[in-house]
Amino acid sequence: AQKVTQAQTEISVVEKEDVTLDCVYETRDTTYYLFWYKQPPSGELVFLIRRNSFDEQNEISGRYSWNFQKSTSSFNFTITASQVVDSAVYFCAFAAGYGGSQGNLIFGKGTKLSVKP
Amino acid sequence: GAVVSQHPSRVICKSGTSVKIECRSLDFQATTMFWYRQFPKKSLMLMATSNEGSKATYEQGVEKDKFLINHASLTLSTLTVTSAHPEDSSFYICSARDNRGHEQYFGPGTRLTVT
Repeated sequence: AQKVTQAQTEISVVEKEDVTLDCVYETRDTTYYLFWYKQPPSGELVFLIRRNSFDEQNEISGRYSWNFQKSTSSFNFTITASQVVDSAVYFCAFAAGYGGSQGNLIFGKGTKLSVKP
Repeated sequence: GAVVSQHPSRVICKSGTSVKIECRSLDFQATTMFWYRQFPKKSLMLMATSNEGSKATYEQGVEKDKFLINHASLTLSTLTVTSAHPEDSSFYICSARDNRGHEQYFGPGTRLTVT
């Protein structure tokens, strides 16, 4: 069965610190997709990134970067120079791949990030 | 970009009444929509998968007679919480998958409070 584990329930940092949110997944699928979503206090889920299982290249988008390592089944998310606006709950999610499309999303339990000024 | 709306964003109702929540894909067609429930400080739990023109597929433990889902068009799915009770109070989020089968776009959520 597929599973997503976010071991960090809550993280608190001071503004400008770097912070890494961990995500470990379990699957026997060879084709799958991994996601990160941000959920600010307003509740709306904000899509951050989607990676497929065949692309292990790390990705950087501004202050955000993602490290995908199939060898350790991890898809970690780093925020560099954190800001108060980064405070939110971050969810890692998994979806199996089927013939070019993707299955249902399976979410981790989320990590609540608090960035203090 | 693709937009999914939900209405209402917030609703308070009395025990025993029914509440309908709408989920619309505004600029794309979605054969498949999903309904999630999120308890405070918890993750999103998939309740059901809604398929246009056919019956919804419910996850284990979700009462199909209590949570009625209708997906009558390619841009609209509705979730009706029937005979609501305080334990149904929750944050309900829908998402819609574009018909190319890849991306899944989330609505802003509906906060239901049953008094």
